[in-house]
Amino acid sequence: NAGVTQTPKFRVLKTGQSMTLLCAQDMNHEYMYWYRQDPGMGLRLIHYSVGEGTTAKGEVPDGYNVSRLKKQNFLLGLESAAPSQTSVYFCASSYEGEGDTEAFFGQGTRLTVV
Amino acid sequence: AQKITQTQPGMFVQEKEAVTLDCTYDTSDPSYGLFWYKQPSSGEMIFLIYQGSYDQQNATEGRYSLNFQKARKSANLVISASQLGDSAMYFCAMREGLGGGFKTIFGAGTRLFVKA
Repeated sequence: NAGVTQTPKFRVLKTGQSMTLLCAQDMNHEYMYWYRQDPGMGLRLIHYSVGEGTTAKGEVPDGYNVSRLKKQNFLLGLESAAPSQTSVYFCASSYEGEGDTEAFFGQGTRLTVV
Repeated sequence: AQKITQTQPGMFVQEKEAVTLDCTYDTSDPSYGLFWYKQPSSGEMIFLIYQGSYDQQNATEGRYSLNFQKARKSANLVISASQLGDSAMYFCAMREGLGGGFKTIFGAGTRLFVKA
């Protein structure tokens, strides 16, 4: 019963390096989201997807790219990491449709850019 | 524009008392859902309660209830009989419907401290 799994859980990058965060869900959810959470703040939506092959910008998309080539996976890429991207990143997924379709979250990835 | 507003950065409540956490939202989409999540110090996000925009009655889940006032665009969380384990960050969230692209956004959160 894995739910939403994020890889890696921790990472330290140097400024200018690139990396990809992987989110995998096994619940056959249509919707997937990437958020960042900075100290003392709420979650801010980076990008999201409402289905395989689709992506859309959220509140803070600059500096990030995403892909959803398979329904179960949602990748978040940082092409050239900056210290301002130091944050905890959460992936979430939810079922499509009306009603009580809560988002299920991964455990988070703590990223530090030095 | 801020779509989800939580005006209380921190709240204190005595154990066994009730507490209300405020949340106001802004959307022009007639179809939306409102959620509350709890984030303890361990960092995971725990779903608490949901209210749909067309629901006539306020949602309840155990000690949690959602005071939904649609005309005022508010969705306050009420926790009854507070317990020490309720100390955590609480986030209000909204998922808009087709007009909002089905995205889910969060407020800045309220940190609740329960005193023994």
